Amino acid sequence: GIQVEQSPPDLILQEGANSTLRCNFSDSVNNLQWFHQNPWGQLINLFYIPSGTKQNGRLSATTVATERYSLLYISSSQTTDSGVYFCAVEDSGGGADGLTFGKGTHLIIQP
Amino acid sequence: NAGVTQTPKFQVLKTGQSMTLQCAQDMNHEYMSWYRQDPGMGLRLIHYSVGAGITDQGEVPNGYNVSRSTTEDFPLRLLSAAPSQTSVYFCASSYSMTSVFGEQFFGPGTRLTVL
Repeated sequence: GIQVEQSPPDLILQEGANSTLRCNFSDSVNNLQWFHQNPWGQLINLFYIPSGTKQNGRLSATTVATERYSLLYISSSQTTDSGVYFCAVEDSGGGADGLTFGKGTHLIIQP
Repeated sequence: NAGVTQTPKFQVLKTGQSMTLQCAQDMNHEYMSWYRQDPGMGLRLIHYSVGAGITDQGEVPNGYNVSRSTTEDFPLRLLSAAPSQTSVYFCASSYSMTSVFGEQFFGPGTRLTVL
């Protein structure tokens, strides 16, 4: 099946810093999503972005499908940005496995 | 608009017991899914449904049953709990013209421990 690798696995930043999280995938996809899991366990959908660029406030994401990667940018980090960021993809072949998740990037924003 | 709701939030079972995890959504989404999340990992698909009366297996279906009698509800049944089913369970709903697993909206999760 499709492989999803996220980097870095852990990231510690000071409040106000910018960061870039990366998601590489091993095959063509028709569906890519970024999620934030907060320290209480809630999963929030940040972006549905199989290709192109989207922005939502301080967050933006870019997927270059032909090169099989996606980037999540967080600017002017706040402590509430802490948590785990997951990238999830669905390969173009479809099938019953649904979304394949990466192992996540654990982000800690220190005040 | 409550979104996706799950009950209970926490549950402890003994090996061999059965139980049902409840999931409901009020967004009129056709598609619903159940995932499990194990420590240090992303989510894995257990079962999914493309509409009332239609369900199918995901990546890790063994030991679980589902049914979908209404658009709103998608319960997950553990038939005979095993310690390997200790996990956090998430229900999700979605709508999409192109994929069953389009933009996913997740419930708050159920943390299950099997002793």
